Formats: sequence, C-alpha cells, structure tokens
Amino acid sequence: QQQVKQSPQSLIVQKGGISIINCAYENTAFDYFPWYQQFPGKGPALLIAIRPDVSEKKEGRFTISFNKSAKQFSLHILDSQAGVSGTYFCAATEGNTGFQKLVFGTGTRLLVSP
Amino acid sequence: DGGITQSPKYLFRKEGQNVTLSCEQNLNHDAMYWYRQDPGQGLRLIYYSQIVNDFQKGDIAEGYSVSREKKESFPLTVTSAQKNPTAFYLCASTSIGAPFNQPQHFGDGTRLSIL
Repeated sequence: QQQVKQSPQSLIVQKGGISIINCAYENTAFDYFPWYQQFPGKGPALLIAIRPDVSEKKEGRFTISFNKSAKQFSLHILDSQAGVSGTYFCAATEGNTGFQKLVFGTGTRLLVSP
Repeated sequence: DGGITQSPKYLFRKEGQNVTLSCEQNLNHDAMYWYRQDPGQGLRLIYYSQIVNDFQKGDIAEGYSVSREKKESFPLTVTSAQKNPTAFYLCASTSIGAPFNQPQHFGDGTRLSIL
C-alpha cells in the first residue's frame, strides 16, 4: 500500500515532442505528490509538485495531471528538448504529519533524440 | 551558497570493512535522510532523523548505521553486514514545521563500489 508505481521505465522522445510519465498509488492518505528530476552524477531536484485539491498544475513546459478517483498522476513535458534528458521520479507523502517521508517511484529515464 | 555536501564522491570498500559516508548541510534543516539508489529501483529510504540525537530506520536499514550528534551532520556507516553495498547513496534534508510541501534538498551523492 506504500508503493508508488511508475511507468515507463525508459522513454525516447523526438525533439519537440511530448513526453508522458505515469504514476499510480494505493495509499489514500497521500496528499502531496512531487516530481524530481535527476541528471547523471547529481542528486535529484524538485521539478514540480501537486496536491489533490487541484487536477492540473503547469510550470513552463512541465504539467502535472492528477486523477484522485483513479489514484493516478502523470507528468507531461511539452516541446521536449535535449536539456530535459535525464531521470524523472514521482513521489508521494502524507503532508499532515509535519514531516516529509517520501515514497518514490522507480524512475523513468528520458532521452530526447535530435 | 546553502546546500548539502556529500563526501567522498567515490568510495571503494574491501570485504569485511566498514566505511562511513559524510553528509553536511548548511540549510539549517531539522530533518535529514539517507537513500540508496539502484538502477531500476528508484530511491529507497535507509535512515532518517528529525532532530539531533534521534533517528529512525527506513525501509532498508539492515547493514547500515547512522548518528546525528549535530544538526548539520548525518553520517552513514555501511557495515560489513551489508552484503550488497554497491550503489549510489544520496543524502537529503528538509525543514519541519514549515508548510509540509517544502522540498527535500539532495546532495550529489556518493558512489560506493566493492573492491
């Protein structure tokens, strides 16, 4: 019940295309869903996050879509460019504990091809 | 600049040896975390600490130990009991009591390999 399932494991998208990464969870107590971006040899960095009271959030070319009833959320990357090639992790946590214990998905390696 | 410093960047362990990974933060964060990253398995929580002199086991604590004697420091020891220590180890920190959606800040990791 604590798992967050992420797919696909890897993704190749043409430059300018749309990348979509999906995550699903079971624990209905989860109420904060961040996405982290990681480049080789570096630690992950927060990209964008959403709470379940909204169905969509946009920041630049990145959009999170959230479906509370289906317990699913996804990351859409528009106009994919070389600079977004990297590994993406979805995560979830119970925010009302006052302490952030994240459960991470298994990651998606994204490669933008020229 | 505020951030998290992990050292060393690369570490090699001999059979039967304990090794210690360093993590220092100057963000004045209360909570600190250690994760292990393996290909295809995401980030798995080893230990975490909310305050000085207190820490809790995460999902994969066996073969690891930690201490939290100072707010800014959270070293991880990989003991000889950890039979498969080869991985990328990440330290993170965050504040407590602020709005809960404060991001976890990560260091740039230590890659541990077996000799």
